Amino acid sequence: SQTIHQWPATLVQPVGSPLSLECTVEGTSNPNLYWYRQAAGRGLQLLFYSVGIGQISSEVPQNLSASRPQDRQFILSSKKLLLSDSGFYLCAWSVLYLGGYTFGSGTRLTVV
Amino acid sequence: SQQGEEDPQALSIQEGENATMNCSYKTSINNLQWYRQNSGRGLVHLILIRSNEREKHSGRLRVTLDTSKKSSSLLITASRAADTASYFCATDAEAAGNKLTFGGGTRVLVKP
Repeated sequence: SQTIHQWPATLVQPVGSPLSLECTVEGTSNPNLYWYRQAAGRGLQLLFYSVGIGQISSEVPQNLSASRPQDRQFILSSKKLLLSDSGFYLCAWSVLYLGGYTFGSGTRLTVV
Repeated sequence: SQQGEEDPQALSIQEGENATMNCSYKTSINNLQWYRQNSGRGLVHLILIRSNEREKHSGRLRVTLDTSKKSSSLLITASRAADTASYFCATDAEAAGNKLTFGGGTRVLVKP
C-alpha cells in the first residue's frame, strides 16, 4: 500500500538557523510531490511541486527551496529561517490516475 | 487569490444533525475534491467529483457540483462527534496548471 512519511512532527528553530524537512513516499513510482504551508486557521498555500527527480517548480517567491534527489524523496530547505517561515508544512503526493492527493501528517515549525 | 472559498467559515451542530457546507470557485475545473483535517494533522481525501458529474455519494457524505454556478456542496448526514474537523474544498483546474488550489476551509464542531 502507498504511504507517506514526513518528519519531524514539530520543530522549534531560532531565526537565522537552517532548515531541512524530509518527506518520503512508499508504494508508488514517479509520483508528483508537493510542499504546502498552512497558516493557523487558514487554507493551504502551495510552495513547491515536482513531477520528477531534479524537477522543482516554485509557486511563490520565498526564503525556502526544495529538492528531489530521489524519485520518492522530497526535501524542503532554508539556509536562514525568518520569523515569517513559521507554520504548518505539509507534504503530499499524487498520481494522475488516482486524482486525489495523499498528505503526510505535517510538521509544525516555530521560528523563535 | 484562492480558487475555492468555503461557506460558512465555521459551523456548530448537535450530534445527529446534518452539516452542509458550500464551496465556490472562479475558473473552469477538471474536478473538485473535498478533504478533512483533524486539528494539527494532515489532510485526508474524502471525495472527488469530476466536472461532468453532478452528484456523488460516499457513506454519509454527499457532494454536489453545479458548474454553471461554479459551486459545490458537501453534506454530512447524521453527524457524529468524530466528524468534528475542518473541511476543505480543492479545485483541479487547467488555469492553475492542474495543481490543487485549496479554499480556506469550514470548521465543523459536532457537539455530543
